[in-house]
Amino acid sequence: QLQLQESGPRLVKPSETLSLTCTISGGSISSSSFYWGWIRQSPGKGLEWIGNMYHRGSTNYNPSLKSRVAIFADASQKQFSLRLTSVTAADTAVYYCARPSAYGDFVSDWGQGLLVTVSS
Amino acid sequence: EIVLTQSPDTLSVSPGERATLSCRASQGVGSNFAWYQQRPGQAPRLLIYGASTRATDIPATFSGSGSGTEFTLTISSLQSEDFALYYCQQYHNWPWTFGQGTKVEIK
Repeated sequence: QLQLQESGPRLVKPSETLSLTCTISGGSISSSSFYWGWIRQSPGKGLEWIGNMYHRGSTNYNPSLKSRVAIFADASQKQFSLRLTSVTAADTAVYYCARPSAYGDFVSDWGQGLLVTVSS
Repeated sequence: EIVLTQSPDTLSVSPGERATLSCRASQGVGSNFAWYQQRPGQAPRLLIYGASTRATDIPATFSGSGSGTEFTLTISSLQSEDFALYYCQQYHNWPWTFGQGTKVEIK
């Protein structure tokens, strides 16, 4: 059974970089059947798909965040990370790591979510 | 980006009654469409994909229909655990996008 767990700082200062990690249990980034993503949820913008990482390391990002975001894998193949630079209060949200289904680009597995607040 | 508009924002329904939720896409998405349920403090849970296919372990009281730009989620007989937030999602064009949500509350 796949389990995903987000971790990282819960408070980030404006203009700094938000860095989160997703730890995978019961699966591996190296599987070619799946890709891995980050999604966030805020009161102002609702659910927003941030971007994806594919098993060979390629990525695609939401154009609204593309200039500030990076998603990359850990060498262990059991973690992948999100980095969002130059954050503002608008980046305050619950951040979820996710694994879309092998049958389509909808999410069958979610982490529990991590609330990150951007504030000085 | 494809914008999804859900209606209504809030739906008040009595237990045992039917609930019908709608989602309209700003352009056609074929059947590349999903529905999720979110309970307080939890991550969303996949209910429907391919517009009408129930996900694993989802009861038959949930059904999805539609294609193109108009989609419907029907809950045939509301149970206490079904009072929650519901979101639609399209995966036809990147970026994948979600609707703003419909809250189903007890009448």
